[in-house]
Amino acid sequence: DAKTTQPPSMDCAEGRAANLPCNHSTISGNEYVYWYRQIHSQGPQYIIHGLKNNETNEMASLIITEDRKSSTLILPHATLRDTAVYYCIVYGNKLVFGAGTILRVKS
Amino acid sequence: DVKVTQSSRYLVKRTGEKVFLECVQDMDHENMFWYRQDPGLGLRLIYFSYDVKMKEKGDIPEGYSVSREKKERFSLILESASTNQTSMYLCASTHRRAAGANVLTFGAGSRLTVL
Repeated sequence: DAKTTQPPSMDCAEGRAANLPCNHSTISGNEYVYWYRQIHSQGPQYIIHGLKNNETNEMASLIITEDRKSSTLILPHATLRDTAVYYCIVYGNKLVFGAGTILRVKS
Repeated sequence: DVKVTQSSRYLVKRTGEKVFLECVQDMDHENMFWYRQDPGLGLRLIYFSYDVKMKEKGDIPEGYSVSREKKERFSLILESASTNQTSMYLCASTHRRAAGANVLTFGAGSRLTVL
């Protein structure tokens, strides 16, 4: 399974866009990029996934570079409730969770 | 709302006790998973199951076993609990894999303390 690299933590002002980067330089052609988040004391929650094209849903947007070696999760208008650990995962044979990025949204 | 329900949010057990962690999903999912989560180590896969009565070892199966007698229920068993099994245990489920379709739905977790 391809490995991912994420910054350990980020801060974002409430109401601004939060842009969370992820590097996955060893990704294979048929592997998807998934994003989950985990709010304190809860189980991880699915956010979005994609293969090649950019994706958007009601929670976030996912931008994948053309070479697919990196991606960015965008929360367009972060709120205090978006404070969580965000995991970028490349799916191979199984979902492998790394350490993720702690996003702190501050008022 | 679809759900993965873990029977106990908090458990305290003694070393050597047999521990059952139960997980039930109401989404008719074929695949079910047990992870443990520890600070600094992220989520690690213990066991998973693709069908009733089927099980596969994950990355850290030692000290654990599982049971999948019904499609909706996946149980994690600690035959003889040890202090190093103190952890948060997370159950998850998903439909059998189709292209790109591996959206896991997680339960709220069971925090186990072994004294």
